[in-house]
Amino acid sequence: ETGVTQSPTHLIKTRGQQVTLRCSSQSGHNTVSWYQQALGQGPQFIFQYYREEENGRGNFPPRFSGLQFPNYSSELNVNALELDDSALYLCASSLAIGRASVSGELFFGEGSRLTVL
Amino acid sequence: AQRVTQPEKLLSVFKGAPVELKCNYSYSGSPELFWYVQYSRQRLQLLLRHISRESIKGFTADLNKGETSFHLKKPFAQEEDSAMYYCALRTGGYQKVTFGTGTKLQVIP
Repeated sequence: ETGVTQSPTHLIKTRGQQVTLRCSSQSGHNTVSWYQQALGQGPQFIFQYYREEENGRGNFPPRFSGLQFPNYSSELNVNALELDDSALYLCASSLAIGRASVSGELFFGEGSRLTVL
Repeated sequence: AQRVTQPEKLLSVFKGAPVELKCNYSYSGSPELFWYVQYSRQRLQLLLRHISRESIKGFTADLNKGETSFHLKKPFAQEEDSAMYYCALRTGGYQKVTFGTGTKLQVIP
């Protein structure tokens, strides 16, 4: 069983640039959630994708966008980067049937640490 | 809106002492509560969920709807329990999970 993998692990960008983060879900999972974890904080829900469609969104501006591909891997895109976007971005996969989670358990990747200068 | 509160950023206990990590939530509907743990240099992982009512690594947590709490307890702390613990709440028809800010448990030998 292959776990959740994320790339890149670390990256540095400057304010105003754009970034794309990638996530491969655990085998057998069809749902991917993205979280932002600022230093000293818990993970904050950005959005979730189920079967290539957005299935819920947290309080993040439209410059945070995403995609899910037919193989259930996913991308998180952030445009017009701001200093406050510096954080660890976590991807979590899970299995859902009809948009409802089978178990409620999220399987996390190790994250992509983004630094915006 | 749903919210999860973990009042302690750091909890230090001696090995063999009881542990209680506090978690309170606010949600008007029927909640699903979880505890996630992150050991040093490992990824965030599920420790336990309230619906399973099981003990994992000696930890238990009881959902108290009257007090809107889901405190994590262990009678005798072990050094390997040192980690970051997050309480989480799942709500709604989809899988949004709201996390607390976390409590770092430090078990002193």
